[in-house]
Amino acid sequence: GEDVEQSLFLSVREGDSSVINCTYTDSSSTYLYWYKQEPGAGLQLLTYIFSNMDMKQDQRLTVLLNKKDKHLSLRIADTQTGDSAIYFCAESDRSNTDKLIFGTGTRLQVFP
Amino acid sequence: DADVTQTPRNRITKTGKRIMLECSQTKGHDRMYWYRQDPGLGLRLIYYSFDVKDINKGEISDGYSVSRQAQAKFSLSLESAIPNQTALYFCATSDPYRGAYNEQFFGPGTRLTVL
Repeated sequence: GEDVEQSLFLSVREGDSSVINCTYTDSSSTYLYWYKQEPGAGLQLLTYIFSNMDMKQDQRLTVLLNKKDKHLSLRIADTQTGDSAIYFCAESDRSNTDKLIFGTGTRLQVFP
Repeated sequence: DADVTQTPRNRITKTGKRIMLECSQTKGHDRMYWYRQDPGLGLRLIYYSFDVKDINKGEISDGYSVSRQAQAKFSLSLESAIPNQTALYFCATSDPYRGAYNEQFFGPGTRLTVL
């Protein structure tokens, strides 16, 4: 079956860059997503990348996609304490692209 | 006002009780979803509905049922709650006409504890 995997924890110092990694299984996914969950809240779409792109940059966020290795990463430059959250990678379900398959989530902790 | 609301926000119940979690949305979206979140397991899809007459099981539907009362309302029921249904439950919506990508909009979650 389809599986999306992430490491569970990442701890970084304020001002450093954070890199959150994800591996997915469905090479036919048209879009891949990063969602952010702040403490006590639901998920919000942070960014997404179309499968024919290798990279997407949006202010402090850089998404890299390696389709050959089925690897997606999210880089946050100049990480701030407000970036502390759980970050979920997601891909479209192969059988129904309107369904998303979420990864396990990576808890990012930013310390001063 | 929040676009996707869930009630209750927190609930503690006992094994065997029937529980209903409610979700309402003002976004006018046709598609609604119920997920549960467990530490280390991410989000798993319980049920989804693409319109009022369309209800589909997700990957972990056993022990749950749903009702789509209107476009704006989608309820999740636990007919006889058990402790391993203790989790954080999220409702989400999406609009298939918004764009090619599938952005889902999440409610704030309901924390359910079954004793």
